[in-house]
Amino acid sequence: SQQGEEDPQALSIQEGENATMNCSYKTSINNLQWYRQNSGRGLVHLILIRSNEREKHSGRLRVTLDTSKKSSSLLITASRAADTASYFCALKTSYDKVIFGPGTSLSVIP
Amino acid sequence: EAGVAQSPRYKIIEKRQSVAFWCNPISGHATLYWYQQILGQGPKLLIQFQNNGVVDDSQLPKDRFSAERLKGVDSTLKIQPAKLEDSAVYLCASSLAWGKRRNEQFFGPGTRLTVL
Repeated sequence: SQQGEEDPQALSIQEGENATMNCSYKTSINNLQWYRQNSGRGLVHLILIRSNEREKHSGRLRVTLDTSKKSSSLLITASRAADTASYFCALKTSYDKVIFGPGTSLSVIP
Repeated sequence: EAGVAQSPRYKIIEKRQSVAFWCNPISGHATLYWYQQILGQGPKLLIQFQNNGVVDDSQLPKDRFSAERLKGVDSTLKIQPAKLEDSAVYLCASSLAWGKRRNEQFFGPGTRLTVL
């Protein structure tokens, strides 16, 4: 399968803790994107990391990419209840396809 | 800036009936995507348009699903006839251009389809 596989499938943490989600894939990519989806809503783009980048930051988000291991991680620091959502990695392959993984469901407990 | 609009938000039909979904992308966005998202799974691309031409429809069940994008703006996705396994959320997304490195997709709220 070319698609990203997020790990873990579900994560429950206390407010203020950090949350880490991982994405592994098998194909060559141009970039990797992370999206958030609140229950019953559409997806919202969070951050994009190019294949020649290793780390990017955006506010409380930190994304890393290791192309040799074909994996990426999304770190949310100082989590808030409002961060409760599903998080998806999306691969943009060398063939310009965008493929979504199955997602990680994050619950942040107040 | 207005976002991606979709209608209806919810639809309940019986199997073998037909249904159509409508999407209006963000103004100026050349690329439009239709995704199917089954509960608990990630979105699966059904079809991708660049202006009014189809870029990728490899995962579209063409025996029952069809889509068009007249004049390269609005798009409709049709299912005829519907099956139980078509119950899902149908998401429309748009991006500035296909083939660009920064092709962030903007998603609409989706249409939740229930087939009974």
